Amino acid sequence: GQNIDQPTEMTATEGAIVQINCTYQTSGFNGLFWYQQHAGEAPTFLSYNVLDGLEEKGRFSSFLSRSKGYSYLLLKELQMKDSASYLCAVLRSGAGSYQLTFGKGTKLSVIP
Amino acid sequence: ETGVTQTPRHLVMGMTNKKSLKCEQHLGHNAMYWYKQSAKKPLELMFVYNFKEQTENNSVPSRFSPECPNSSHLFLHLHTLQPEDSALYLCASSQDYNYGYTFGSGTRLTVV
Repeated sequence: GQNIDQPTEMTATEGAIVQINCTYQTSGFNGLFWYQQHAGEAPTFLSYNVLDGLEEKGRFSSFLSRSKGYSYLLLKELQMKDSASYLCAVLRSGAGSYQLTFGKGTKLSVIP
Repeated sequence: ETGVTQTPRHLVMGMTNKKSLKCEQHLGHNAMYWYKQSAKKPLELMFVYNFKEQTENNSVPSRFSPECPNSSHLFLHLHTLQPEDSALYLCASSQDYNYGYTFGSGTRLTVV
């Protein structure tokens, strides 16, 4: 089986930095994704990590440690529009196919 | 049009009705997916199609019936649904597994 855990909700101040953690347990690990989902909208792709380390993309960075089953999404210089749910998802392989399994998501509220 | 398009955006149906959800992708991707998103639950993978062939069926009740006539179109046929099937149904596509899935905006389904 597999288990993906992330905090349910977080609040941060505009202009600040926030780190959203994700821990996972899975077999056949093939990478970890982060998605952003605004209320009532489709999830949009933010990042993909398959090797250990930090991937930086503008204000957003994502980190992966495969040995610890741990990832985080770092958001810098927070803006009000960053208020959304952030979904951690693990890609696993098995039986000739791949499956992307999601955590419950972390609802981030950015306050002035 | 570009991206992944889902119709209808909203659907209200009775438990004895038959309806279909449609998904179309204009990205040239070779895999398409149906996900269910319920309140306070993670995105749940329902079906996976790779090159029009169904590769995954995650123990979905038979009242949900997928159809993939070609690699650009995906349908989800619904019949005799239950109120607990009310949710946001998201379609996604990908080109190979390690590229970000592109999601449609979803169909908000309410079963009455």
